[in-house]
This record gives sequence, structure tokens and C-alpha cells, in this order.
Amino acid sequence: EAGVVQSPRYKIIEKKQPVAFWCNPISGHNTLYWYLQNLGQGPELLIRYENEEAVDDSQLPKDRFSAERLKGVDSTLKIQPAELGDSAVYLCASSPGRLAGGGELFFGEGSRLTVL
Amino acid sequence: QKEVEQDPGPLSVPEGAIVSLNCTYSNSAFQYFMWYRQYSRKGPELLMYTYSSGNKEDGRFTAQVDKSSKYISLFIRDSQPSDSATYLCICGGSNYKLTFGKGTLLTVNP
Repeated sequence: EAGVVQSPRYKIIEKKQPVAFWCNPISGHNTLYWYLQNLGQGPELLIRYENEEAVDDSQLPKDRFSAERLKGVDSTLKIQPAELGDSAVYLCASSPGRLAGGGELFFGEGSRLTVL
Repeated sequence: QKEVEQDPGPLSVPEGAIVSLNCTYSNSAFQYFMWYRQYSRKGPELLMYTYSSGNKEDGRFTAQVDKSSKYISLFIRDSQPSDSATYLCICGGSNYKLTFGKGTLLTVNP
């Protein structure tokens, strides 16, 4: 069974440029997460989807970040314009359900962004 | 104070050593506890999962939870170079939210 697939794995851009990351979760997983991981830190939730609905985007910086999951399967996270401080790893994860009371989160390998 | 505190290390041990990784948490609502392992330039993967206080063993790995003191530990026996990775402790409650520790970078030297 294929795991969570993310692309691109690495992206280098200049500040003020746009960038987009794509994620395909494990088949059948209704819940999809985007996490931000800075160097030496644990992942921090940006947005959580249940099917196509963004049920928690409270930590998403909406002035420059946007995300979509139009058909409730794959998802795109966009940053426009990128800033130097956005350099980090963007992790996508999925789970079969809402994780309320327990459950495993399956992570992709991440998209590493460097903003110059 | 962060809800989950984890010593970031780095921790360097010789092959065969017993490794102890620890986290403390402050939220009494946390009900389940996980340890994820993250190799360099990879996504985290589940290592151990526990609900209750006590020990859970899986091969060379033992997860320990003490809810009375809000303390969770991961022990690795007979550590191997392949155990070199960042270990993340994660706490979860009755809602969907997971709270991550910073991660401890472990290096096992051959």
C-alpha cells in the first residue's frame, strides 16, 4: 500500500516568489493534515481537513498561506509571497478518522523549502 | 510553559547502550501517548503507542507512562546505529489535536 506522497521533496525559491506543495494521502484516509516543521522542532499543525472541509485552520497564516482539498483526496498548500522565515519542512499527514481518543497519523516525507 | 516538554539533546551513545528518552506534559486531559521516530530527511513514523500508565514493550523498545507525575519515557535496549534518529513524543486527548514535543536527536556510535 502506498504511503502519503508529497511533492516536490525540495524547493528553493527567492523571497516574494510563490510556491506550492502537493500531497496525496493514503487511500481511504478522510483526514488530512499539513504540518510545519522548523529545524530542531516538532511539527506544528497548520491546517486539518476532514474530507474536503477545513475543520481547523486556526494556525494557518492566512495572509500568505492557502490550502485546498477540492475533492476530498489530494491537497495543495500554497505560499504567496514567500518570506525568509518560511524556510522549513512542510509535512503532510493523513489518518483514517478524526483521531479523537486515539489513532495513528501517517506522515509523508515532507517538502523542504528554502527561501533565499 | 509548553504543554509537552522534551529534552532536545543531542544525545550520543555507544552501540549497545541503554537509551532513555523523556518527556513531561502539563495537560491532565491527555489520554494517549505516542513515540514517533524521524530519520534525517524523512517523515515521522509511529514507534510506540500507549493509553494508560505503565509499561509497554515491543522488542528492544519500552514505552513508560506515569500519569500521576505526567512523565513519559522511551527506553531503547541494546541500541544500534540504525536507531540514530530524532524521537518525538506526542500527546493526544479526546479531541483530535496532537501535541508534539521538540524531539530528541539520538546518535548511536558503532
